Amino acid sequence: DAGVTQSPTHLIKTRGQQVTLRCSPISGHKSVSWYQQVLGQGPQFIFQYYEKEERGRGNFPDRFSARQFPNYSSELNVNALLLGDSALYLCASSSIAGGRTGELFFGEGSRLTVL
Amino acid sequence: AQTVTQSQPEMSVQEAETVTLSCTYDTSESDYYLFWYKQPPSRQMILVIRQEAYKQQNATENRFSVNFQKAAKSFSLKISDSQLGDAAMYFCAYRSAQTSYDKVIFGPGTSLSVIP
Repeated sequence: DAGVTQSPTHLIKTRGQQVTLRCSPISGHKSVSWYQQVLGQGPQFIFQYYEKEERGRGNFPDRFSARQFPNYSSELNVNALLLGDSALYLCASSSIAGGRTGELFFGEGSRLTVL
Repeated sequence: AQTVTQSQPEMSVQEAETVTLSCTYDTSESDYYLFWYKQPPSRQMILVIRQEAYKQQNATENRFSVNFQKAAKSFSLKISDSQLGDAAMYFCAYRSAQTSYDKVIFGPGTSLSVIP
């Protein structure tokens, strides 16, 4: 079975541009979470979507938005890019959300560089 | 707010030896999970071991075991018989079991090198 897949794997943007990152969860998983990992730091929680609804949001500005589609895949959008948005963006899927959730399965991430 | 601290930015171990990675956390909750994740250069975050706070018994997974001290809010990872493939970044992480969503809080990580 395919794991969590993310695209693109690498991309370069300039300040002020907009970017869309995509994630396909493991088949049967209805929850998708997004994390930002700045170089040399641990990942930070951005969003979680479950059954196409936002379940949780981390401490990120409104420039960051996401959505989940009927097939449970997800997109993360970042507008008005700043140099500080350069990071590895990780997507994780799980079968349910909250409470006694099972394991989170991570993708390999999308490396965003903002020049 | 919950926090996770890893005080060892870098560690090294000889192949076949044992190493312990430290982690402390802060929370006012009583029901939560603790995890150790491994992130090799391939970037994919892999779950190594998990501990449920209500279980007193320390979790073990083959060569990996934890020392969970709930009162001290300490959660260390012991890797026995270290192998070259164990070289990676290791993140200690916390997740509440009392919320309707899965916000995992990661520590800053420990870079583990394995010396042949």
